Amino acid sequence: QQQVKQSPQSLIVQKGGIPIINCAYENTAFDYFPWYQQFPGKGPALLIAIRPDVSEKKEGRFTISFNKSAKQFSLHIMDSQPGDSATYFCAATTSGSARQLTFGSGTQLTVLP
Amino acid sequence: KAGVTQTPRYLIKTRGQQVTLSCSPISGHRSVSWYQQTPGQGLQFLFEYFSETQRNKGNFPGRFSGRQFSNSRSEMNVSTLELGDSALYLCASSDGGSGNTIYFGEGSWLTVV
Repeated sequence: QQQVKQSPQSLIVQKGGIPIINCAYENTAFDYFPWYQQFPGKGPALLIAIRPDVSEKKEGRFTISFNKSAKQFSLHIMDSQPGDSATYFCAATTSGSARQLTFGSGTQLTVLP
Repeated sequence: KAGVTQTPRYLIKTRGQQVTLSCSPISGHRSVSWYQQTPGQGLQFLFEYFSETQRNKGNFPGRFSGRQFSNSRSEMNVSTLELGDSALYLCASSDGGSGNTIYFGEGSWLTVV
């Protein structure tokens, strides 16, 4: 019940395309869903996050769509650039006092020039 | 504001030895958590400390331990190292309060030979 399932494992798009990464969760206690971007040799960097009381959140070229009834959320990258090539992780946690992120397995995105 | 700082960045240890990794959280953050990242298992939660107390612990053997000091700096220790402990160890900090934003450091790369 603690799992977060992420797909696809890898994704290749052309510059300007809109890659979409999907995640699904089982634990209904999760109420905070961040996305992290990780470049090789670096730690994960927070990209954008959403709470289940909204269905969509946009920050720059990054948009999260959230479907509470389906327990699914997804990341869309508008006008993707080669510099967006990285590994993306979805995660989930609760607003309780303990901070424990449950991560998806990651999606390796390649944006071709 | 300085980010999460981890030392050392790279280290090589021999099987059976022990290792101590250090983490300095973002100034003002009182919650420090640790994660292990491997190609096979992905990102897995180790434990979280808040105000020098362990609040949550992941599913790792007792060889993995940690502590937090009064200045919020944290250390994690792995004893009797095994080849499978080779991984990127990530430290993350947050304010530990109602805000959920969790920031990661660059990590410590541990190789066990």
